[in-house]
Amino acid sequence: GENVEQHPSTLSVQEGDSAVIKCTYSDSASNYFPWYKQELGKRPQLIIDIRSNVGEKKDQRIAVTLNKTAKHFSLHITETQPEDSAVYFCAAWGNNFNKFYFGSGTKLNVKP
Amino acid sequence: DAGVTQSPTHLIKTRGQQVTLRCSPKSGHDTVSWYQQALGQGPQFIFQYYEEEERQRGNFPDRFSGHQFPNYSSELNVNALLLGDSALYLCASSQEYEQFFGPGTRLTVL
Repeated sequence: GENVEQHPSTLSVQEGDSAVIKCTYSDSASNYFPWYKQELGKRPQLIIDIRSNVGEKKDQRIAVTLNKTAKHFSLHITETQPEDSAVYFCAAWGNNFNKFYFGSGTKLNVKP
Repeated sequence: DAGVTQSPTHLIKTRGQQVTLRCSPKSGHDTVSWYQQALGQGPQFIFQYYEEEERQRGNFPDRFSGHQFPNYSSELNVNALLLGDSALYLCASSQEYEQFFGPGTRLTVL
């Protein structure tokens, strides 16, 4: 099956700085890669996603890049704000296995 | 348009008991997946239901079972509860790619 690895496990940045979280996957058949933000005690919320036919997608301060050759994808948050503090999960999905495999999460702390 | 809903919000059970958790998917979604999330961990896939049948299953024992109804809502049943079953149980619904999570049910086993 698929194996998704996520790094770093914790990330601390100063407000206004950028944050980058990286994930690698093992199955080249994976074709959809969402990112979820989970605040303490709340549900994971889909914040951005990318499909394998696209190399980059941007939504305001958030962007995701995908390198299919290297089998890795990254979440980029610019101009971080304290409300960006949360745990972020990446995931991979493929038609052949038809389910989501999640990374282990990155706890992002944005210091004011 | 209601999102994914789950009930109950919290539940306390004792070892050996049985529990049933419920999920209503987002309108228009026909696939329901269940996840277990232990504290500080990522969601672990339990199983997925589509067209009232279990389509995929993760590495969970047979004590975990489920059901999907014709209206696409779903139940997760856990028998013979263990202390280690204490976790946040998340339901997620999807239509093709995008998957949205419910608020979860926090299960505590004493």
